[in-house]
Amino acid sequence: EPEVTQTPSHQVTQMGQEVILRCVPISNHLYFYWYRQILGQKVEFLVSFYNNEISEKSEIFDDQFSVERPDGSNFTLKIRSTKLEDSAMYFCASNREGAYEQYFGPGTRLTVT
Amino acid sequence: KQEVTQIPAALSVPEGENLVLNCSFTDSAIYNLQWFRQDPGKGLTSLLLIQSSQREQTSGRLNASLDKSSGRSTLYIAASQPGDSATYLCAKNGNTGKLIFGQGTTLQVKP
Repeated sequence: EPEVTQTPSHQVTQMGQEVILRCVPISNHLYFYWYRQILGQKVEFLVSFYNNEISEKSEIFDDQFSVERPDGSNFTLKIRSTKLEDSAMYFCASNREGAYEQYFGPGTRLTVT
Repeated sequence: KQEVTQIPAALSVPEGENLVLNCSFTDSAIYNLQWFRQDPGKGLTSLLLIQSSQREQTSGRLNASLDKSSGRSTLYIAASQPGDSATYLCAKNGNTGKLIFGQGTTLQVKP
């Protein structure tokens, strides 16, 4: 059964460094999302992406964040200058056209020190 | 501001018991509601999705209902098993694709 995959599973970085989190959505899916979950808190929406552009973004998704679909398979989230409060689990999700069930990847645990 | 609330926050039941998890949401403009399971430190596994035009969906021992007028959804788990122990999340989609999550109900099923 097709799955959303994410790499790395765990990323440790120093404050101020740039990180890129990678996702490979399910191959026939066209809608892509990033969510994050700070330890002990709710899962929060960051951004949605369709047809090579951002559809919607939350207030969390400020100028430090960017997303890209550099090729036909990968979907990335870049954080330009990480802060301590960016430490969280980051989930990628996708769904196909005309179907609304979102499928989530296993997540990348980002630790900013 | 749209809110999704889940009650209770935690639940412990003996194996074999039937149970109900509750999810309530503000703003009746709902497109669909999705229930997920999350194991500790893991990703989210989709369990059921209910469209706004539907009243319930079933998958195996799981049954989810949706009442738009009262802003509520329930997840019914029949004949619970220790393997059902996990956190259950509900998430509302208001037609933009963005999911708004509740804080989850952590279920423990004791053998």
